[in-house]
Amino acid sequence: QSALTQPRSVSGSLGQSVTISCTGTIGDVGGYNYVSWNRQHPGKGPQLILFEVNKRPSGVPDRFSGSKSGNTASLTISGLQGEDEGYYYCCSYTGESTLDVFGTGTQVFVL
Amino acid sequence: EVQLVQSGAEVKKPGESLKISCKASGYLFGNYWIGWVRQTPGEGLEWMGVIYPGDSSTMYSPPFQGQVTLSADRSVATVNLHWRALQASDTAIYYCARRVAYMGVDFWGQGTPVTVSS
Repeated sequence: QSALTQPRSVSGSLGQSVTISCTGTIGDVGGYNYVSWNRQHPGKGPQLILFEVNKRPSGVPDRFSGSKSGNTASLTISGLQGEDEGYYYCCSYTGESTLDVFGTGTQVFVL
Repeated sequence: EVQLVQSGAEVKKPGESLKISCKASGYLFGNYWIGWVRQTPGEGLEWMGVIYPGDSSTMYSPPFQGQVTLSADRSVATVNLHWRALQASDTAIYYCARRVAYMGVDFWGQGTPVTVSS
């Protein structure tokens, strides 16, 4: 299973919005509405911020939203804050007999 | 509160064996799949395998099948990752992760750095 494709980096000013894409195939992103997103700050473990494309776990602000079209899922961060800097990884379900596949990761810079 | 607390950093030589562990708390350990994700600069995040402590069922990703062994001890709510003979290419950060079907990983450990060097 090949990693999902994400842009290497994106940047935005404080208060602006950024969108990160996550492109896979019909065997993963395109075949299921089970895409999740995780944020990782340097030196820390990742943290789940979205699941099932656009659902937020308890405690995650509504500045984080998700969508999917075809084989590409997207994460939008609105009202950028300094704490949003870090790495973001998408992840997709791939079926009952295989484990999920992660994206290549995107570094977000807040200017 | 769900917590996954991993064992500390390791430095090993090629050919040596290693076991790292992850202690879970805050939920019914036997009721969730839990496993290990490898992180390297070159490959990013990769699932290695998961185990269901309730019946010790396992599922491994093909690149890791036969290379590592997952085990779980329900008495102490701990999942382990074992190598019989490390290689330099095993140098990475290893994350313990609780997997929920369709949701992905809902909780992560803090990471265990492993360095394999002669």
